[in-house]
Amino acid sequence: DTGVSQDPRHKITKRGQNVTFRCDPISEHNRLYWYRQTLGQGPEFLTYFQNEAQLEKSRLLSDRFSAERPKGSFSTLEIQRTEQGDSAMYLCASSFDSSTDTQYFGPGTRLTVL
Amino acid sequence: GEDVEQSLFLSVREGDSSVINCTYTDSSSTYLYWYKQEPGAGLQLLTYIFSNMDMKQDQRLTVLLNKKDKHLSLRIADTQTGDSAIYFCAVLLTGGGNKLTFGTGTQLKVEL
Repeated sequence: DTGVSQDPRHKITKRGQNVTFRCDPISEHNRLYWYRQTLGQGPEFLTYFQNEAQLEKSRLLSDRFSAERPKGSFSTLEIQRTEQGDSAMYLCASSFDSSTDTQYFGPGTRLTVL
Repeated sequence: GEDVEQSLFLSVREGDSSVINCTYTDSSSTYLYWYKQEPGAGLQLLTYIFSNMDMKQDQRLTVLLNKKDKHLSLRIADTQTGDSAIYFCAVLLTGGGNKLTFGTGTQLKVEL
């Protein structure tokens, strides 16, 4: 399967701990996106990369959140000093730089902060 | 910013057609998408339509776009139990970066 993959699929952590998630995009896709989805809501945009450059960040992305895509391939999303409000599904998507910019999503990482 | 709205629930009988509706506020949309999400899973792209089109058909799926009313719909013909899921519409804006703005999702329940 050559779709978007995310690791881990589930993460349970205690409040105050740091967590890191990984996303591997579809291999020829140069754009990579992170979204957050809380229960009963649609996904909300967090940030996006074109190759290794982080081009846009949402207001939702507080100082405790940092995302990287060092070699323009996989990306990591780190949350420092987690809070219960960070509990959500974190979705990664990738696309190929074209007029349609169709985004393909991974299975997500479900974070539970106790 | 863009606001995308959907009704929360839709229940249909197996074999009937389902119509899921979506409204949006920003007229500078370029592409509009429909995604399907099953419990605990990511989003599966179903189809998309460019804003200068009125209709797109793809097998059992028909997308209708009324740009004047800013209304998008997804029709699923011959709905099956496997179509039970949450359906999201999403809008890509001109000059809005490359982020998608999603609706809250419509939960489709298909009954026998």
